[in-house]
Amino acid sequence: GENVEQHPSTLSVQEGDSAVIKCTYSDSASNYFPWYKQELGKRPQLIIDIRSNVGEKKDQRIAVTLNKTAKHFSLHITETQPEDSAVYFCAASLSGGYNKLIFGAGTRLAVHP
Amino acid sequence: NAGVTQTPKFRVLKTGQSMTLLCAQDMNHEYMYWYRQDPGMGLRLIHYSVGEGTTAKGEVPDGYNVSRLKKQNFLLGLESAAPSQTSVYFCASSGQGNQPQHFGDGTRLSIL
Repeated sequence: GENVEQHPSTLSVQEGDSAVIKCTYSDSASNYFPWYKQELGKRPQLIIDIRSNVGEKKDQRIAVTLNKTAKHFSLHITETQPEDSAVYFCAASLSGGYNKLIFGAGTRLAVHP
Repeated sequence: NAGVTQTPKFRVLKTGQSMTLLCAQDMNHEYMYWYRQDPGMGLRLIHYSVGEGTTAKGEVPDGYNVSRLKKQNFLLGLESAAPSQTSVYFCASSGQGNQPQHFGDGTRLSIL
């Protein structure tokens, strides 16, 4: 079946450093790629998304890049802050529509003051 | 505007018991989804619905049933709970087109 691989599974950075999380997807029909942030005990919350007709998207300190040829996309967080500490999930839309998503296994980001 | 609301938030069951998890959304979304989240495995789709009266199987449907009698509600049922169903269950909804999914706060379910 289709899958999304996410790396690394854990990431530890110092406050102010950049963090990069990478995902690879298998469904060539995927055209929508959201990223979710989940704090401990909370719901996943959408932080940024990108569609297949765009190569890069930025929102303040976060950016996402997409390489459709290689089937991978990445999340970049600059000037990290302790409140960025959370688990981040990438996802890719599945063929067949209805906004179905397949999620990566998650990356636990720890930002140390 | 509450978004997506899940009840209950926590529940402990004994093996073989049944229960229903309720998801309600007030965003007039057509699509609704049930996921389970297990450590190190991300979110896996159990069942989904693309409109009132419709349901479809996701990635891990075995042991679960769902119903969408009203557009705003999506119910997840466990007929005979098993320890392997211990998990955190999330409901989500989205509008038509490539719209993002919005999640509820989750239900933490333990099966003893």
